[in-house]
Amino acid sequence: QVQLQESGPGLVRPSGTLSLTCAVSGGAISSDDWWSWVRQPPGKGLEWIGEISHSGGAHYSPSLMSRVTISVDKSSNQVSLRLTSVTAADTAVYYCAAHRAYSFPTWGHGTLVTVSS
Amino acid sequence: QSALTQPASVSGSPGQSITISCTGTSSDIGGYDSVAWYQQHPGKAPKVMIHDVSNRPSGVPDRFSGSKSGNTASLTISGLQAEDEADYYCSSYTSSITYVFGTGTEVTVL
Repeated sequence: QVQLQESGPGLVRPSGTLSLTCAVSGGAISSDDWWSWVRQPPGKGLEWIGEISHSGGAHYSPSLMSRVTISVDKSSNQVSLRLTSVTAADTAVYYCAAHRAYSFPTWGHGTLVTVSS
Repeated sequence: QSALTQPASVSGSPGQSITISCTGTSSDIGGYDSVAWYQQHPGKAPKVMIHDVSNRPSGVPDRFSGSKSGNTASLTISGLQAEDEADYYCSSYTSSITYVFGTGTEVTVL
């Protein structure tokens, strides 16, 4: 079973760009899996951000679509998240998750990103 | 797209059964057999307990069961145990080729 590890800056300035990577180990991205990003503001619920396939096809949450880009780098076995024009409302723990069907069986540990000046 | 609706909290005594509801629309829960349920303990990543409405992954106790009727899905925990105290979230695939999570339910074992 693959393992996922998120990484990136823990602090981002308002109006800046949040950039995170998810390192995939124990398996290749070139498979039938899809790779999603999910976030969770402190003390609040889960929010699906978007997903990408190994071939690069992506789908995004309508509420974030104008600001988010998810990409995949098969050569380095990584999935990346980019969220622009961030505000305090984007402060959350960001998870990457792997899935093949309609559920998310594999999650990273998550990384907290705080938007603050 | 709005989050699926769950009760904020549910409680029960050890050994009892509890049921958590998850209400959506015909564009998500009602349109697909894609409901999943996740258990999340504080500071931990979510863990899938049920997928495809009623299927348990290997390793999940058979005390956990899922069902769906119309636009509402349910998770039942039978024989409630102390370690079941956690937050639970439902999720569903949607007609917009996206996923949506529920608002979350805090389960307390009295």
